[in-house]
Parts: sequence; structure tokens; C-alpha cells
Amino acid sequence: AQTVTQSQPEMSVQEAETVTLSCTYDTSESDYYLFWYKQPPSRQMILVIRQEAYKQQNATENRFSVNFQKAAKSFSLKISDSQLGDAAMYFCAYRSSTSGTYKYIFGTGTRLKVLA
Amino acid sequence: GAGVSQTPSNKVTEKGKYVELRCDPISGHTALYWYRQSLGQGPEFLIYFQGTGAADDSGLPNDRFFAVRPEGSVSTLKIQRTERGDSAVYLCASSLGGSWDNEQFFGPGTRLTVL
Repeated sequence: AQTVTQSQPEMSVQEAETVTLSCTYDTSESDYYLFWYKQPPSRQMILVIRQEAYKQQNATENRFSVNFQKAAKSFSLKISDSQLGDAAMYFCAYRSSTSGTYKYIFGTGTRLKVLA
Repeated sequence: GAGVSQTPSNKVTEKGKYVELRCDPISGHTALYWYRQSLGQGPEFLIYFQGTGAADDSGLPNDRFFAVRPEGSVSTLKIQRTERGDSAVYLCASSLGGSWDNEQFFGPGTRLTVL
């Protein structure tokens, strides 16, 4: 069974600085999909960025980018120029590419605090 | 409405009772997911609907949990004989389709408390 591990329960970053959130996963599959979600205090989860394991190029969405290391099974999220609105829980998630599988497996999350 | 809505926002019940949680997806979204999020944890997948049918129910923890989507829009998660361990936030998400690159849009969740 696949697992997702987020080893940093909490991180802090100064406004305008850069922070990296860690995520590792375990799988025996060669193709799969990885995601980062943001959950603010309102509870409504928002997709931040996604990556297909088949593609080696790291995904980027504005100030958010990932460092995908397939061999190491690592999928870290880098937030550049951190803003107060980035403060939230961040969850890493895995989805199998197996046909008929729609299950997303989430990590336990990292709480990001942004200091003014 | 523009987003996914869930009702009620909070539900308190007693152990052994039956509860229903409702999810209204974004109009036109054929895919619908239910998750359970316990305190301090990430969301835990429960079930996925494509249209009216449950295409993946591998996350339902036991036969006390059941979900329906009779007309391919609104979905109801039903929990029988509730237990204190069922206390959690139940999240619903919808997307245009079930493909990985169809973004899931989440609702605000229903907080269920079983006394």
C-alpha cells in the first residue's frame, strides 16, 4: 500500500522569504500523480500544484514550485516570496495511475506560519 | 451556487444514531469524492462517484457507511449506528471528471461530533 509522509508538523517563514515543505512517499508503482493542497482555517482545500511522475520536469505555478526526486520518492514544495495569505496547512497527496483507482492518499500535513 | 456546498456545517449526534450528510457539487461536475478528516490528520478517501455510480468505494471503513448520488448531482453520505470514532470533518469535492488533471474543488466540510 502506498503511504505519504510529511515529517514537518510545523514550519515558519518570514514574509518575502522562501520556504520548502518536505514530502516523501512510498510506492511500488512507476507512474502516479502527486499533489500539494492548501487548507486555510476556513477548511476549504485548494489545489496548489500537481505533478505526473512520468514527467521529470518539475512543476511550477507562479510562486510555487516542486522538487520532484523520483528515485528518492521525494516531492517537496517551495514557496517563494512568502505572503501572509500563504499561512495554512499544506498537504501532500498521492494518486495511483492504475485504471479504476481514484483514491487520493494524503499526508498528515505541515502547518505553515508566515511572520510579518 | 458557485462552489461546492455541504450541509449541515455542524452535526452533533449521540452514539448509535443515524446521520446523513449532504453534498451539493458544482453544476456540471460529474465526479464527486467524499473524504473524512480526523483531528490532526490529512483527508482520508472514502468513496468516488462518476455520475450516479460509485466507481471506487475502497475507502469506506465498514458497512455502517454508505453513500448515494441518485441523480448524478447531490450526494448523501449516510452513517448508521454512529460511534465516537466517527467524529471528524467530512469533506466533499467535485471535479469535471475523474482524471487526475481534473482539479478537485472542495466544500467547507461537515463537522460531525458523536457524543
